[in-house]
Order: sequence, then structure tokens, then C-alpha cells
Amino acid sequence: NAGVTQTPKFRILKIGQSMTLQCAQDMNHNYMYWYRQDPGMGLKLIYYSVGAGITDKGEVPNGYNVSRSTTEDFPLRLELAAPSQTSVYFCASSSSQGNTEAFFGQGTRLTVV
Amino acid sequence: AQKITQTQPGMFVQEKEAVTLDCTYDTSDPSYGLFWYKQPSSGEMIFLIYQGSYDQQNATEGRYSLNFQKARKSANLVISASQLGDSAMYFCAMSLYGNNRLAFGKGNQVVVIP
Repeated sequence: NAGVTQTPKFRILKIGQSMTLQCAQDMNHNYMYWYRQDPGMGLKLIYYSVGAGITDKGEVPNGYNVSRSTTEDFPLRLELAAPSQTSVYFCASSSSQGNTEAFFGQGTRLTVV
Repeated sequence: AQKITQTQPGMFVQEKEAVTLDCTYDTSDPSYGLFWYKQPSSGEMIFLIYQGSYDQQNATEGRYSLNFQKARKSANLVISASQLGDSAMYFCAMSLYGNNRLAFGKGNQVVVIP
């Protein structure tokens, strides 16, 4: 089982560049999420989606955009990268049935210089 | 909004001993779930255990148990018979029923020594 797959695993961006973090899940989960983890901190929710075509902001959405055209994919777009976006990014998914655990991807370590 | 508090400093625990990780939470919603995740040095997030707010009994999963005290709004994780592989960061998180969006604490660092 692949579960949640994120690409790339590592990336260095220059200030002002843009990139898309890819996320795909093969568990047919309706709910998907993007979190960021800053050093020594817990994860904070950036954006989430409850199904294809539906997205909404989380706690820290500024500087990011998402789309959800299919159940499987939930890419995160960074426009005009800033040093404050240096972080580890996690994609996750969960079932919409009950209050169940989220399954996480391996994370993307992003450095903006 | 939900708030999770984990304030313990890094902990050293002897192999085979038990360790308790503290977690307190704050929410005005009566319907919620509490989760613990493990993050080893390799970075992945591993789900350990879940407790629902209406569950009458404390959750257990192998060597992990959750000491749920609803009135005190605490959900402490107990790891019994610690192993070297338990060395990791441990995160407490909660979500409200129906949205599954997790709010995380800052984590507890555990180092198991032989």
C-alpha cells in the first residue's frame, strides 16, 4: 500500500520562486490536509479539503494555494517563496467516516534562501 | 478553537521502564477525539492511539495507553516497557467530530537509554 505519497522530499527555493508540492493518496479518502512543521513545533494546518472541488483555509494559509480536482490528488502551490516558508510540509488524508486517524505522507523539507 | 498543551521538557527514560507524557487540551465542544502521534528522527508521523470524548474506557494499543481524564481535560500517553526504538518526538492532537482537522501540541521529546 502506497498510502499518502508526497513529492519532492527535499527542495531548495530562491526567494520569489514558485513551486508545487505534490500529494496523492490511494485510500479513497475524502478528507485531505496540508500541514507545516517549523523547527521544535507541532504541525499547523495550512489548507484542507473535504472532497474533490472543495477546499478551505486552515490556520496559516497566507502565501499558499491549493486545488482538489480529483479525490486522489491535493497539490499545494507556493507563490513568491519567502524565507518564512522554510519548513517541513506534510500532506495527510483521512476517512470522512467518523473521527478517524489521519495518514501522513513522508514530508517535504523546503528551504527558501 | 481547540488548543493542545504539552509543556514537559525533554525526557530521558531507562529502557524497560514506563514513561508518561502529559497533554492537556481546551475546547468548548463536547464531541472530539484525541490522538497521539510519534515522530522519530526520520521525520514521518506515526499514529499511535485514539480516544473519543464519549468513550467510557481508556484506550489501549499494545504498549501504549491513554489516561483520559475528561473533567481535567487531560489525555496523557503512557508507554510501558520502553524500548530504544521509542526514542522520538510525541505529539498530542485533537479534532472535533465531523471535521477531522487536527490541532497539535508542540510535542514531547523522549530519549530511551539502555
